[in-house]
Amino acid sequence: NAGVTQTPKFQVLKTGQSMTLQCAQDMNHEYMSWYRQDPGMGLRLIHYSVGAGITDQGEVPNGYNVSRSTTEDFPLRLLSAAPSQTSVYFCASRLLTSGGAGTSNEQFFGPGTRLTVL
Amino acid sequence: AQKVTQAQTEISVVEKEDVTLDCVYETRDTTYYLFWYKQPPSGELVFLIRRNSFDEQNEISGRYSWNFQKSTSSFNFTITASQVVDSAVYFCALNWAGSYQLTFGKGTKLSVIP
Repeated sequence: NAGVTQTPKFQVLKTGQSMTLQCAQDMNHEYMSWYRQDPGMGLRLIHYSVGAGITDQGEVPNGYNVSRSTTEDFPLRLLSAAPSQTSVYFCASRLLTSGGAGTSNEQFFGPGTRLTVL
Repeated sequence: AQKVTQAQTEISVVEKEDVTLDCVYETRDTTYYLFWYKQPPSGELVFLIRRNSFDEQNEISGRYSWNFQKSTSSFNFTITASQVVDSAVYFCALNWAGSYQLTFGKGTKLSVIP
């Protein structure tokens, strides 16, 4: 099992450019999510998905789009990059349990993508 | 709404000292789940422990122990006889039963000095 993989590891963009951060998992997890990590802010949820074709916004969704066409993949799109989007981005996945949204299942994280917007 | 507060932004200890990382949470639900993650300097996030709201037993794993107290809404993490390899940022997180979202605290950076 590769677990959760993310590409690229590093990226530098100019303001206004667009790009897609890739995320894939091979554990057949229903739930996938994207976080950004900024100094002193912890991890903040951008978007999440509970299955193919289902996505929803997290705490800081502005400037980002997601789609979930397969169980395995959950790409994050930056439509028009801004310096405020300079951050480390983590993708995560976990198994959901029946009977409720919340779960004690462990959330697995990818290695992260360090993005700099100039 | 759910919230996790880690009031200690940074802690420094000398190797072999014990250290406790505090985590206070807020949730209106009676069913919820608490987690601790470690982020070493290499940057990856490593799962340490989970606890559900119905299980207030404390847990010990080697030099690590966790104290869950519903009365004070706290889930504190203690490292005994700290080592340099324990230097990392530690995150506490909360998921309540009615939400898919895992809410993280802002993290505590622990530096263990040799």
